[in-house]
Amino acid sequence: DAGITQSPRHKVTETGTPVTLRCHQTENHRYMYWYRQDPGHGLRLIHYSYGVKDTDKGEVSDGYSVSRSKTEDFLLTLESATSSQTSVYFCAISEREGGDGYTFGSGTRLTVV
Amino acid sequence: KNQVEQSPQSLIILEGKNCTLQCNYTVSPFSNLRWYKQDTGRGPVSLTIMTFSENTKSNGRYTATLDADTKQSSLHITASQLSDSASYICVVSPFSYDKVIFGPGTSLSVIP
Repeated sequence: DAGITQSPRHKVTETGTPVTLRCHQTENHRYMYWYRQDPGHGLRLIHYSYGVKDTDKGEVSDGYSVSRSKTEDFLLTLESATSSQTSVYFCAISEREGGDGYTFGSGTRLTVV
Repeated sequence: KNQVEQSPQSLIILEGKNCTLQCNYTVSPFSNLRWYKQDTGRGPVSLTIMTFSENTKSNGRYTATLDADTKQSSLHITASQLSDSASYICVVSPFSYDKVIFGPGTSLSVIP
């Protein structure tokens, strides 16, 4: 997806290990979001950022932390991965508050075994 | 509680046929309602956006309608193509700058 890339695209990790997912944007958008997508659920917000070093929790933030040291990068860390965190993770960016008009990355498929 | 529901959960249609997907929401008041298309293995991409004062919006073979009184929206796909096979997600943005609310999506399969 133009202007936003996620890495890695796929990852398999063991329970209890730390994992970091990266989101990089070239659009200079202020707002960045991390979502997870699971069967039967809509996209659920994990954490979001409204500026460098400014972050806040979403509805499913337990077990996750984020950091944003530069406008273009937003990192999602699973401190100690669990099987319930097996999911597809999407990063999104937007110009305006509230997440209106998202541009999504292509997602990271994470499997915790 | 603000919610967005979609129906059906999944749908299979023959190529060339039309179909309509439904979205019901409880978000009120809201700023706008979007329909996104998500291809397998990709992130969602916006198809249409409607404000609360709009009734219909088209994007090629996709036509979205909105009834703010009944809090319902629909996405109509005309003359379906194999490339329309995807998940279609209804998303509502509240007025209060709260985070947008995603529906669970409808999975559409178009078969030859």
